[in-house]
Amino acid sequence: QVQLQESGPGLVKPSQTLSLTCTVSGGSISRGTYYWSWIRQPAGKGLEWIGRIHATGNTNYNPSLESRVTVSVETSKNQFSLNMRSVTAADTAIYFCARDQGLVSPHFDSWGHGTLVTVSS
Amino acid sequence: QSVLTQPPSASGTPGQRVTISCSGSSSNIGGNYVYWYQQFPGTAPKLLIYENNQRPSGVPDRFSGSKSGTSASLAISGLRSEDEADYYCAAWDDSLSGPYVFGTGTKVTVL
Repeated sequence: QVQLQESGPGLVKPSQTLSLTCTVSGGSISRGTYYWSWIRQPAGKGLEWIGRIHATGNTNYNPSLESRVTVSVETSKNQFSLNMRSVTAADTAIYFCARDQGLVSPHFDSWGHGTLVTVSS
Repeated sequence: QSVLTQPPSASGTPGQRVTISCSGSSSNIGGNYVYWYQQFPGTAPKLLIYENNQRPSGVPDRFSGSKSGTSASLAISGLRSEDEADYYCAAWDDSLSGPYVFGTGTKVTVL
């Protein structure tokens, strides 16, 4: 059973870069057709998909965030990461990483517990 | 920003059937699979339905999904107190809104 765990700073200053890492255990990040996604949820609000990456480096992004977001993968460490630039208070949210079943039937069958990121000076 | 619209709330008494709607468009629900997620407070969402009407292993058959045109529905039959949670629909979107969009979410309350 694959497990995912988010890690990174819980507090980021406005205009700076938010950086999170998701460590995958119980399975190889390079195996199969899986993609690896980031999803966020502001307090009391709904889910927003941020972007995803395949072990080959192929990425897809939410058009509303694409100009500020980069998702990368480090297969040797079985990790993938999120960088979000020029953050504002509106980026304060719980950030989840998740395994995405890929191109034919994209859905998230395994999730991390989530990590709260607060943007504040 | 969500392009999939759900009612904000739904409720029922134990044993009742509750249905949650999810309205989209031809670029998402109309042309792609629909998925449903269940989320309890303070926890990560859990996949409940995939590919419109398929249940992952371990999901009770009280939960069922359907799709017609540009809308989808999640039904919970034999409602239980432990079903009180938030429910989100989701789909791939072929337009500039995508690629992946979630619904606005529905809070189910067991009275």
